[in-house]
Amino acid sequence: AQRVTQPEKLLSVFKGAPVELKCNYSYSGSPELFWYVQYSRQRLQLLLRHISRESIKGFTADLNKGETSFHLKKPFAQEEDSAMYYCALGGSQGNLIFGKGTKLSVKP
Amino acid sequence: DVKVTQSSRYLVKRTGEKVFLECVQDMDHENMFWYRQDPGLGLRLIYFSYDVKMKEKGDIPEGYSVSREKKERFSLILESASTNQTSMYLCASSEEDQPQHFGDGTRLSIL
Repeated sequence: AQRVTQPEKLLSVFKGAPVELKCNYSYSGSPELFWYVQYSRQRLQLLLRHISRESIKGFTADLNKGETSFHLKKPFAQEEDSAMYYCALGGSQGNLIFGKGTKLSVKP
Repeated sequence: DVKVTQSSRYLVKRTGEKVFLECVQDMDHENMFWYRQDPGLGLRLIYFSYDVKMKEKGDIPEGYSVSREKKERFSLILESASTNQTSMYLCASSEEDQPQHFGDGTRLSIL
């Protein structure tokens, strides 16, 4: 079965602290993974795509096929990073399978 | 920049009404999608479409139908609205093998 698990509903950190948002997936083929972010009152937007291997807004994510994980990391959190983060898996039909999301709250 | 436009940000309807949610994209994308977003449940796929007049069921199609008469427009239809369809509805579009782009969403309340 194709599935994405984000174990934390809410993650709260202080400004300047490291952040790691966890994502595990279940997929029999070669996975395509994404992180989407939704800031307050804004549309859902793509943050990262694993094949691009780039850093966006200081965030990185590495695909670990052995652990079936795609955790999102940032070394120093900023208040403007507070948002809802969704991990998503590209399905076999071109659709996206989303996790339930993690709300990141960065406190001053 | 890709623009996905949903016709309404907020909509209030009554139980039993037929409800139409409209979505238009301006980038000639082949693929279009409808999701609902609920707290604690994330996004769940309702229907998607690869081309004009084509549609595929997603994970939760019951109580919904869709229409894609033109490439740029993908409509979600609630045949007989019920209170459990109160939700945020998100439309997305994409080109093949490219990331999906989302609209602002329609917050639908069924009274």
